[in-house]
Amino acid sequence: QITLKESGPTLVKPTQTLTLTCTISGFSLTTHGVGVGWIRQSPDKALEWLADIHWSGSTQYSPSLRSRLTITRDTSSNQVVLTMTNMDPEDTATYYCAHRVIGAGLDYWGQGALVTVSS
Amino acid sequence: DIQMTQSPSTLSAFVGDRVTITCRASQSVNSWLAWYQQKPGKAPNLLISKASTLQSGVPSRFSGSASGTEFTLTISSLQPDDFATYYCQQYSNYPWTFGQGTKVEIK
Repeated sequence: QITLKESGPTLVKPTQTLTLTCTISGFSLTTHGVGVGWIRQSPDKALEWLADIHWSGSTQYSPSLRSRLTITRDTSSNQVVLTMTNMDPEDTATYYCAHRVIGAGLDYWGQGALVTVSS
Repeated sequence: DIQMTQSPSTLSAFVGDRVTITCRASQSVNSWLAWYQQKPGKAPNLLISKASTLQSGVPSRFSGSASGTEFTLTISSLQPDDFATYYCQQYSNYPWTFGQGTKVEIK
């Protein structure tokens, strides 16, 4: 049974760095074809893909946020970590991590983590 | 970036109606197109991959089709559990992009 769960702060101040952790179970981060992505959903409900890490360890980022994002994995702890620097109130959103395999959409999602950026 | 344009933004329908939602890509995504259903307070749920492949466990009243850069999600007979917001997403090219969503409401 595949599950993912996001964890991290619910409130960050402007200019701070956000660190979110996705703890996975039921699959391996190194299985060929598997990836974990981060997606956020703003209060107006728009979905925005942020980053993805593949089974090989290679990464992809949203070009508009690339300078602020880092995605890493810890295969021994079964975790994928997203860091986003220089947080702004516009980054207030629910952040999701999700599982995917080659050729398919994002088939398993975490419950989401609401992050508010405010002083 | 590939732009995904969904229509309509909101749709009002009766239980039992046939419902169609359209998603148009700004350039070819081949068939690398997914559809999701989202209910309030929940994460999106994958319904269809590769434009027309139904995920395991998804009712057969849902179907997807493609014609060039235009994709369609059809619900053959709307059920009470189907009132939700639906999103398309292309995963042909990075950055992956989503449509703006279609809210299906009870008429």
